[in-house]
Amino acid sequence: QVQLQESGPGLVKPSQTLSLTCTVSGDSISSGDYSWSWIRQPAGKGLEWIGRIYTNGNTNYNPSLKSRVTMSVDTSKNQFSLKLSSVTAADTAVYYCARKNYYFDYWGQGTLVTVSS
Amino acid sequence: EIVMTQSPATLSVSPGERATLSCRASQSISSNLAWYQHKPGQAPRLFIYGASTRATGIPARFSGSGSGTEFTLTISSLQSEDFAVYYCQQYNNWPPEFTFGPGTKVDIK
Repeated sequence: QVQLQESGPGLVKPSQTLSLTCTVSGDSISSGDYSWSWIRQPAGKGLEWIGRIYTNGNTNYNPSLKSRVTMSVDTSKNQFSLKLSSVTAADTAVYYCARKNYYFDYWGQGTLVTVSS
Repeated sequence: EIVMTQSPATLSVSPGERATLSCRASQSISSNLAWYQHKPGQAPRLFIYGASTRATGIPARFSGSGSGTEFTLTISSLQSEDFAVYYCQQYNNWPPEFTFGPGTKVDIK
């Protein structure tokens, strides 16, 4: 059973960079033809796909966030990561990592990131 | 960008009754649609993919239908554990933007 777990600071100051890591267990991140995504949900709002990365490093980002997003992958650690720069209060949300097999079949439990000084 | 809409925003249903949730895509996505159930404090859970295929472990009272731009999730007889928010999500591969609908909250009448 594949499991994903998000980790990173729960509080980030405005204008700084949000950094999160997702650790995959139960299978190699490199097995299968999957991509690995980040999705977020601001309080009281819906789900927003942020971007995805393949284990070869290829990425696709949500156009609305593209200028601020960087994703990376470390296959040796079975991890992938998200960096979101120049954050504002609007970036406060629960951030999920997920495996994408066309659809999102495995999700992490989510981590709340608050942007506040 | 493919825009997903869902209706209604909230659906109040009594246990044992049938619930019908709708999802619409702004352009054709064939059958590249998934449904997720989301409960507070939990990760979203895949329920339906390919518009009509139940994911592993999903009860038969859940069924999905539709193709192109119009899709439906039906819960034939609501159980207490089914009260949650349901999101549809398109995964048409081009453009590679995997958008979700705004969600339908199914609550107890």
